[in-house]
Amino acid sequence: GENVEQHPSTLSVQEGDSAVIKCTYSDSASNYFPWYKQELGKGPQLIIDIRSNVGEKKDQRIAVTLNKTAKHFSLHITETQPEDSAVYFCAAPNAGGTSYGKLTFGQGTILTVHP
Amino acid sequence: DGGITQSPKYLFRKEGQNVTLSCEQNLNHDAMYWYRQDPGQGLRLIYYSQIVNDFQKGDIAEGYSVSREKKESFPLTVTSAQKNPTAFYLCASGTTQHFGDGTRLSIL
Repeated sequence: GENVEQHPSTLSVQEGDSAVIKCTYSDSASNYFPWYKQELGKGPQLIIDIRSNVGEKKDQRIAVTLNKTAKHFSLHITETQPEDSAVYFCAAPNAGGTSYGKLTFGQGTILTVHP
Repeated sequence: DGGITQSPKYLFRKEGQNVTLSCEQNLNHDAMYWYRQDPGQGLRLIYYSQIVNDFQKGDIAEGYSVSREKKESFPLTVTSAQKNPTAFYLCASGTTQHFGDGTRLSIL
């Protein structure tokens, strides 16, 4: 099955700075990579995802980049705000590379944005 | 509004007791999933179901059971065989996985 490693486990930034979280995966057949944001006491919420046919995807202050050769993908948050403080999880398919379905999650990154 | 609802929000289990966590969705999704979340370990898959009346074990199914009699419902039972049940349990539905807000289970 898929193995997903996520770094760093904690990240502290000043408001307005950028934040980058990186994940590596093991199955070269994987072709779908979502990112989730989890606020305290809530379930994770999908914030952005990328498929293997593109190298980058942006949505306002959030972007995800994918390097299939190196088997890693990263979440980039620009102009961070205190409300970006949360736990962020990356994930990759746990089913032999299929785009949707079972996912293996990274261990999570606790992002703290200081005003 | 469409969504996925988990209940109760908090649950306490006594020694030797089975408890059932509810998960209901009105998103018309075929696939549903149960995850366990422990601090520093991310989410681990317990069971999943891709269609009514069918389900498969995930990575940590021992001590848990599920049923899928209706498309909208995927309840999880934590049995007395699960010796370390204290965790945050998350239910999700759909191929891109919409999550509920979880049930926190503790031992009395």
